Amino acid sequence: NAGVMQNPRHLVRRRGQEARLRCSPVKGHSHVYWYRQLPEEGLKFMVYLQKENIIDESGMPKERFSAEFPKEGPSILRIQQVVRGDSAAYFCASSPELAGEGTQYFGPGTRLLVL
Amino acid sequence: AQSVTQPDIHITVSEGASLELRCNYSYGATPYLFWYVQSPGQGLQLLLKYFSGDTLVQGIKGFEAEFKRSQSSFNLRKPSVHWSDAAEYFCAVVDSNYQLIWGAGTKLIIKP
Repeated sequence: NAGVMQNPRHLVRRRGQEARLRCSPVKGHSHVYWYRQLPEEGLKFMVYLQKENIIDESGMPKERFSAEFPKEGPSILRIQQVVRGDSAAYFCASSPELAGEGTQYFGPGTRLLVL
Repeated sequence: AQSVTQPDIHITVSEGASLELRCNYSYGATPYLFWYVQSPGQGLQLLLKYFSGDTLVQGIKGFEAEFKRSQSSFNLRKPSVHWSDAAEYFCAVVDSNYQLIWGAGTKLIIKP
């Protein structure tokens, strides 16, 4: 069984460019979560999606950030006009149903570096 | 609001010594509590979780954690650490919206 896959594993962007982070959940999982880990900080929840729906985006910055989880294909976290402060590790997790028991399966993360 | 505190940013222990990583939470109801480990350059792996029942839970890799409601704590322990345990450890609680609230993490350094 393939786990959660994220690509790219490392991404370098210059200020002002766009960053696209992809997450393929565990096969059969319909719930996806995105977290951001800033240096020296813990993980912060960003957004929770089900197929074609955003359920909770309370952790997403109001500007430049967007997420989608289409019917087909991976979930995408998109950051427009990146700034240095966006440099972080972005983790995706998936679960087969509402993760009331917190059994989310995590991907290896994408490390974004903004020059 | 729910929160998780890991008071130690770094901990250094000698190989073979015992380990205890502290975690305190703030949550009104009975919490669902977790410990995750993140090895360098890797994603997160679930070590163990507590939902209810026996307050001492066993996890993978020889780790255990004890839920103490009176102290709002869920400390992670291992009787004898190995060099391969060097990693960052995160404590987390599920909030009322079923989202994971994370502690800031504790980096474990193993001395030979």
